[in-house]
Order: sequence, then structure tokens, then C-alpha cells
Amino acid sequence: DAGVIQSPRHEVTEMGQEVTLRCKPISGHDYLFWYRQTMMRGLELLIYFNNNVPIDDSGMPEDRFSAKMPNASFSTLKIQPSEPRDSAVYFCASSLWASGVGNEQFFGPGTRLTVL
Amino acid sequence: AQKITQTQPGMFVQEKEAVTLDCTYDTSDPSYGLFWYKQPSSGEMIFLIYQGSYDQQNATEGRYSLNFQKARKSANLVISASQLGDSAMYFCAMREGTGNQFYFGTGTSLTVIP
Repeated sequence: DAGVIQSPRHEVTEMGQEVTLRCKPISGHDYLFWYRQTMMRGLELLIYFNNNVPIDDSGMPEDRFSAKMPNASFSTLKIQPSEPRDSAVYFCASSLWASGVGNEQFFGPGTRLTVL
Repeated sequence: AQKITQTQPGMFVQEKEAVTLDCTYDTSDPSYGLFWYKQPSSGEMIFLIYQGSYDQQNATEGRYSLNFQKARKSANLVISASQLGDSAMYFCAMREGTGNQFYFGTGTSLTVIP
């Protein structure tokens, strides 16, 4: 299995630009999570989906952030417009619920975003 | 209240010694799972070990074991025979039976000294 795939791995952009981060979960997984990690705030859950439906987006910092999951094999996290304080590593993770709480999350390699 | 609390921002251990990383959790859900992840300096998150709330025995995976004390709501990670490659951030996490969200602690930075 290829694991969770994220692209791009690194993104450098200028303030005000639109940024789109992409994630392909592990095939068959029914949960997908987006996290942001910074030194100051640690690992923050932004949003998660179950069977492509957003379940909890209370962690999305503001309206500039949006996430979609048009099908079971693809999700995007978009920031528009981007700001320097959005600089962070963004992780996508997927999980399977079939046997309950015992299924761990599998993380992608992360996207390191730098907003200048 | 924090769902997961890791009170040790940084820990040091001598190579080949054992080390315990603390984790306490808060939930009223009778069904939950506890996880530990390792994040080396390269950045990836690596799953280490899992403990279910109904499991009678402490989980073990190679050099990793989980000291699960349900009444105290603690799930400490024990790493035996530390190796230099164990130097990393370690995160404790919980998944509740309802809601299905994962909750992560703030992490503990472990440094193994040669």
C-alpha cells in the first residue's frame, strides 16, 4: 500500500496568494483528517471527514480556510488569501473505523507551507 | 479540560537505559483507544503502540510498552534499552468511541544521550 499521499511536499508562496494542499488517503479508509503543526500551537486538528462528509470543522481557524472531499480518494485544503501566520506543516491522515477505536491514524508526510 | 495531557516537554535518557513518557487522559466514554506516535526530526508521524480501554493487559510492541492505569487515567509509554534513534518527539493520542475524533497531546521531546 502506498500510504497517505500529500502534495506538494513544500510550498512557498507570497502573502495574499491562494494555496491548495492535496491529500490521497489510504484506499478503503473512511475517515480523513487535516492537521496543522507549528512550534507555538503544536498539532491542531482542523477538520475531519467521514465517508467524504465533513463532520467537524470547528478547528478551521477562519473563513480563509476551506476543505473539500469530492470523493473517497481525494481531499483538498485551501487557504485563500494566505497570510504569513499560516506558515506551518499541514498533515493529512486517514483511518478506518470498521473495528472501532483500535484503528490508528496513518499520517501523510506533510506539506511544509511557508507564506512570505 | 484537556483530553490528553503530556506534562514533560523534554526528557533525557542515557543510551541503553529505560525511559517513561507520561500521558494522562480525560474522557467519560467507556470505550476509547489510546495511541502513541513518534515524530523524528524528519517530520513524519509514526504509529508505535495502541491500548484499548477494555484491554486487560498492557500493550507491548518490541521495546515499547504501555503502562495503562485505567483508574488513574494514565497511559505512559515505556521505552526499554533506549537507542540513539529513539530521539524524537512523542505524542500521546486518544480516540473516543463516540465522535471518532482523535485528540493529541502537546508532545514530549526525548533525547537519548550516548
